[in-house]
Amino acid sequence: EAGVAQSPRYKIIEKRQSVAFWCNPISGHATLYWYQQILGQGPKLLIQFQNNGVVDDSQLPKDRFSAERLKGVDSTLKIQPAKLEDSAVYLCASSLYQGMESPLHFGNGTRLTVT
Amino acid sequence: SQQGEEDPQALSIQEGENATMNCSYKTSINNLQWYRQNSGRGLVHLILIRSNEREKHSGRLRVTLDTSKKSSSLLITASRAADTASYFCATKNAGNNRKLIWGLGTSLAVNP
Repeated sequence: EAGVAQSPRYKIIEKRQSVAFWCNPISGHATLYWYQQILGQGPKLLIQFQNNGVVDDSQLPKDRFSAERLKGVDSTLKIQPAKLEDSAVYLCASSLYQGMESPLHFGNGTRLTVT
Repeated sequence: SQQGEEDPQALSIQEGENATMNCSYKTSINNLQWYRQNSGRGLVHLILIRSNEREKHSGRLRVTLDTSKKSSSLLITASRAADTASYFCATKNAGNNRKLIWGLGTSLAVNP
């Protein structure tokens, strides 16, 4: 099966600019996650979708971050305006269902550098 | 918030040796999962162990879980250079809050 696709792979922007990331999950996977991973740390959940509904966005900085999952398939994550501390790898993951034992499948991430 | 704490933070071994990584957590869990992350790539699911299981095997991987000590260990036997990666534990909490809580990871270097 095709894996989770993310684009772009790398992005360099200046602070206060905007940026958007795209994710295409594995076909048929109902649950989609966006994680932020700062160098040397574990992933931090930003938002979780079940189909096109938001399940958890408690750690999403909503003053600057937004995400949508139209039609319950692809998803975009946007940052506007970016800050220096947003420099990180943004990982998209999907799972077949939201249950306890459904493993996450990750894309290769987008490495964002904010200068 | 991070719950799992991996130990050690970094580990360097020779090819053919065994590598052991530990994970401690704080609350009651439904299951614990181990993931591998190669440099510049996403995380890959390795193995899941349920709270009522004590040991699980998958190829060269052996995972143990001690719920009384709230800890788990991942053993990689006969390591290979290709095992060089960061390894993360993640816990799925019991109860209503079923978030997957991630540790900070152990960086493993296997030298040829």
